[in-house]
Amino acid sequence: AQKVTQAQTEISVVEKEDVTLDCVYETRDTTYYLFWYKQPPSGELVFLIRRNSFDEQNEISGRYSWNFQKSTSSFNFTITASQVVDSAVYFCALSEARLIFGTGTRLQVFP
Amino acid sequence: EAGVVQSPRYKIIEKKQPVAFWCNPISGHNTLYWYRQNLGQGPELLIRYENEEAVDDSQLPKDRFSAERLKGVDSTLKIQPAELGDSAVYLCASSPRDLLYEQYFGPGTRLTVT
Repeated sequence: AQKVTQAQTEISVVEKEDVTLDCVYETRDTTYYLFWYKQPPSGELVFLIRRNSFDEQNEISGRYSWNFQKSTSSFNFTITASQVVDSAVYFCALSEARLIFGTGTRLQVFP
Repeated sequence: EAGVVQSPRYKIIEKKQPVAFWCNPISGHNTLYWYRQNLGQGPELLIRYENEEAVDDSQLPKDRFSAERLKGVDSTLKIQPAELGDSAVYLCASSPRDLLYEQYFGPGTRLTVT
């Protein structure tokens, strides 16, 4: 079965703290894509990153970084020096015939 | 470039009433998706269109839900009759071709059934 698990329901941090959002997935496919989306209070899903199953290189984009480890079926997302504007629900997703989303992690960054 | 447009943004109806949601995808995008997002959950695909053709509607509750995409551009999702359990956010997304990694989402329609 294909499944995405985001065990952290809600995380609260104070501004400038680093925070890591966990994502564990299950799939039988050897070729697949993994994604992270951000959903701010406005409701619109914002694409953050895509990673294919053959590319295990970590990626850094500004304050964001992603750690893909195929051996543990994990695709974790770290925000460095968090800001209040990072407050949102973050979804990890897996592509099969359709996008399969996790249940999301609500991040609250307090000033 | 304009993003995916959805209307209405909010809708409150009584159970057993019909309701319709409208989506205008990004110009040139031939793949259109409807998702339902229940409170505290991630979105779940209801239906996917390639131009006018529904190529994946396996998750659409066909007894009360219907969708159409006439002329392969705008799309309408309808529920008739609505039930209390249909309260959710209905998201539309589009992509330039059948590539899941290029999905662009609209702001969604929040439906409340009372």
